[in-house]
Amino acid sequence: AQTVTQSQPEMSVQEAETVTLSCTYDTSENNYYLFWYKQPPSRQMILVIRQEAYKQQNATENRFSVNFQKAAKSFSLKISDSQLGDTAMYFCAFMKHDPNYGQNFVFGPGTRLSVLP
Amino acid sequence: KAGVTQTPRYLIKTRGQQVTLSCSPISGHRSVSWYQQTPGQGLQFLFEYFSETQRNKGNFPGRFSGRQFSNSRSEMNVSTLELGDSALYLCASSLTWGPDTQYFGPGTRLTVL
Repeated sequence: AQTVTQSQPEMSVQEAETVTLSCTYDTSENNYYLFWYKQPPSRQMILVIRQEAYKQQNATENRFSVNFQKAAKSFSLKISDSQLGDTAMYFCAFMKHDPNYGQNFVFGPGTRLSVLP
Repeated sequence: KAGVTQTPRYLIKTRGQQVTLSCSPISGHRSVSWYQQTPGQGLQFLFEYFSETQRNKGNFPGRFSGRQFSNSRSEMNVSTLELGDSALYLCASSLTWGPDTQYFGPGTRLTVL
């Protein structure tokens, strides 16, 4: 079974600074997908970024980028120019699609990020 | 395009009762998944529906059930509620039953007294 680990339960960063959230996963699969989701205090889970394992290029979405190291099974999220609105719980997620059983999403325990003014 | 909607947003029930939660996916999305989120266990997968059929099920007792309608709307039901069922229940929709991104609703906060 796949597992996702986020070793930093809580982090804080000053506004406008850069922060990196760690995520490692364990799988024997070769084709899979990785995600970072953000859950602000309002509770709506929002997709931040998605990475396909078969792509070597790291995904980027504006101020958010990932460092995907497939061999090391590492998938960290870098937030540049942090903003107060980035304060949220961040979940790393692994997804493998099985043609018989559908999507298998496994979420990490989350990292609570606080952006300080 | 409207996002995933869930009703009700908040529910208070007592032990032994049953509850039904509703989820309307993004228009055009045909796959709906349900998750239970608690501080202790985090996000746990309940089940996934596609084309009115349950395709995948997590490790939850039979008191948890669900269904999907022809318009892709989904409901989940919990019977004989226990205190431990208190949680945020999240619904997520995706376009197809393939390796697709899931988009989450705001959740239903269930409190069992």
